[in-house]
Amino acid sequence: DAKTTQPPSMDCAEGRAANLPCNHSTISGNEYVYWYRQIHSQGPQYIIHGLKNNETNEMASLIITEDRKSSTLILPHATLRDTAVYYCIVRDGFGGSNYKLTFGKGTLLTVNP
Amino acid sequence: DAGVTQSPTHLIKTRGQHVTLRCSPISGHKSVSWYQQVLGQGPQFIFQYYEKEERGRGNFPDRFSARQFPNYSSELNVNALLLGDSALYLCASSSRTGYTDTQYFGPGTRLTVL
Repeated sequence: DAKTTQPPSMDCAEGRAANLPCNHSTISGNEYVYWYRQIHSQGPQYIIHGLKNNETNEMASLIITEDRKSSTLILPHATLRDTAVYYCIVRDGFGGSNYKLTFGKGTLLTVNP
Repeated sequence: DAGVTQSPTHLIKTRGQHVTLRCSPISGHKSVSWYQQVLGQGPQFIFQYYEKEERGRGNFPDRFSARQFPNYSSELNVNALLLGDSALYLCASSSRTGYTDTQYFGPGTRLTVL
């Protein structure tokens, strides 16, 4: 079973920031938080991952709370092409059961014009 | 650089037949994972191979098998197809970054079983 909880759907206006929450209250010390997104009928696309520090790349920012029990993915200026299902995944580092990604149901983000 | 490639893109089979799906990883990636995604659900893990050895296996029947070749490409085989095997089959390759690795997915193969 997935170790994360996400809202089933969210809306965002084009050009505004999209903030997608994820709860992972049972996360352990060596587990990473990964985010992927899937546009209809395509393969999931890697977005970003982090362990405990906030992370930023060209696609998004990942904010992890100090207790690591929740995180937020931020798309700074959402476009219509960001409409997708977003998956938050908790995953072991090396030495654990890190070989697989366990997907939940994700959040359907709809960006409106 | 080319991403993960999968072939074929679409496939239609009938019940009882077998199917072979192929995956080429990103250059330099030594690990390949396979996932099944049924309509309306998230992807479910089937196998992972690393350096031609099976590293992990999900909760799938023995009708599902896979292998990895010396060039790190991989095949997923499904025997005695059932209607319920209709799904998008995804391949992901991964490389190590620090204490974890990141999986990059291909576009998938859409299998329809009639």
